[in-house]
Amino acid sequence: DAGVIQSPRHEVTEMGQEVTLRCKPISGHNSLFWYRQTMMRGLELLIYFNNNVPIDDSGMPEDRFSAKMPNASFSTLKIQPSEPRDSAVYFCASSSNSGNYNEQFFGPGTRLTVL
Amino acid sequence: AQSVSQHNHHVILSEAASLELGCNYSYGGTVNLFWYVQYPGQHLQLLLKYFSGDPLVKGIKGFEAEFIKSKFSFNLRKPSVQWSDTAEYFCAVSSGGYQKVTFGTGTKLQVIP
Repeated sequence: DAGVIQSPRHEVTEMGQEVTLRCKPISGHNSLFWYRQTMMRGLELLIYFNNNVPIDDSGMPEDRFSAKMPNASFSTLKIQPSEPRDSAVYFCASSSNSGNYNEQFFGPGTRLTVL
Repeated sequence: AQSVSQHNHHVILSEAASLELGCNYSYGGTVNLFWYVQYPGQHLQLLLKYFSGDPLVKGIKGFEAEFIKSKFSFNLRKPSVQWSDTAEYFCAVSSGGYQKVTFGTGTKLQVIP
């Protein structure tokens, strides 16, 4: 299995622009998570989906952030408009509902820089 | 709600020293416990996990962790660290049946050759 795939790996954009981050979870996994990691705030859970349905979006910082999961193999995290303080590494992770394990598998991350 | 505390934010050790990183969680029910490692510039990878059974769990690269239910702790240990263990270590907890995993704030380990 290729693991969790994220694109792009690096994104540099200017303030005010729209940014779309993409994630393909591991095939067969039912849950998908978006995290943000910064030096100041550490690893933060933004939102997670179970069977394509958003379960908890309480970590989404503002209305500028939105996430979708149109099908079991694809999710997007969109920031519109982007701001310099959104600069961070964004990780996607997936896990399987089978069993009781909750082990999450992380993607390589997208390093976002907003100028 | 479940929470995880990692009290050591930054640890510096010499090679061959022994390591113990503290992790305490708060949740009264059945828990699944994890330690993840993040090497510089990389994503999080699972080191070890506890679901049930033997409270002493052995993971990859010589790491182990002990679940002490009475202390709500899941400390990570390694008898002799190497320079290549330099990384950030995250403790995490999930309650059985739920997919959400709560991560601690991480401990940065620096191993000096």
